[in-house]
Amino acid sequence: AQSVAQPEDQVNVAEGNPLTVKCTYSVSGNPYLFWYVQYPNRGLQFLLKYITGDNLVKGSYGFEAEFNKSQTSFHLKKPSALVSDSALYFCAVRAFGSGYALNFGKGTSLLVTP
Amino acid sequence: EAQVTQNPRYLITVTGKKLTVTCSQNMNHEYMSWYRQDPGLGLRQIYYSMNVEVTDKGDVPEGYKVSRKEKRNFPLILESPSPNQTSLYFCASTPLAGDNEQFFGPGTRLTVL
Repeated sequence: AQSVAQPEDQVNVAEGNPLTVKCTYSVSGNPYLFWYVQYPNRGLQFLLKYITGDNLVKGSYGFEAEFNKSQTSFHLKKPSALVSDSALYFCAVRAFGSGYALNFGKGTSLLVTP
Repeated sequence: EAQVTQNPRYLITVTGKKLTVTCSQNMNHEYMSWYRQDPGLGLRQIYYSMNVEVTDKGDVPEGYKVSRKEKRNFPLILESPSPNQTSLYFCASTPLAGDNEQFFGPGTRLTVL
């Protein structure tokens, strides 16, 4: 079975400060990891993915994520948060060779205050 | 523009009245999928399709049907909706070749009274 956990329901950060949204995963085999963002009344937008290669992955809107195999984590980061980053963030995983279905975390609501 | 479209975007219906939510993609993707999103549960897969005439159950298929008669379309059918199917539904697609992300539609908010 494969799963991800997002331990924080909500993350609050002041504009201009760095932000981190946490994700840990559990898979048998090599993981494919994804981050998506959902703005109010919108669908899910892809931010970035880790398939293989460099552990630091850069994505859209200045976001990046670090794959840590020993800690089974894939935390989303941004050096300087914007108010417009406020949204719901989902981490998702699928295991290599297990098909294409994504297993999503419960989501983390990010609130960036001015 | 490459996209996944869903209709309707919002629907309020009553228990037992059959409904269909349409999904269409213009990217020639083989794989299509339906998810439902519920607060505190994230997204859960309902059904998926690897190609035309090939469909299979996801994690929460009870009460739903799908069909894949054309590559671009993947409708979700609720033959007898119940209140516990009140949810936000997303259609997604991805090509089978390569390690690609899934592309999501804008969502359909369904309320069953």
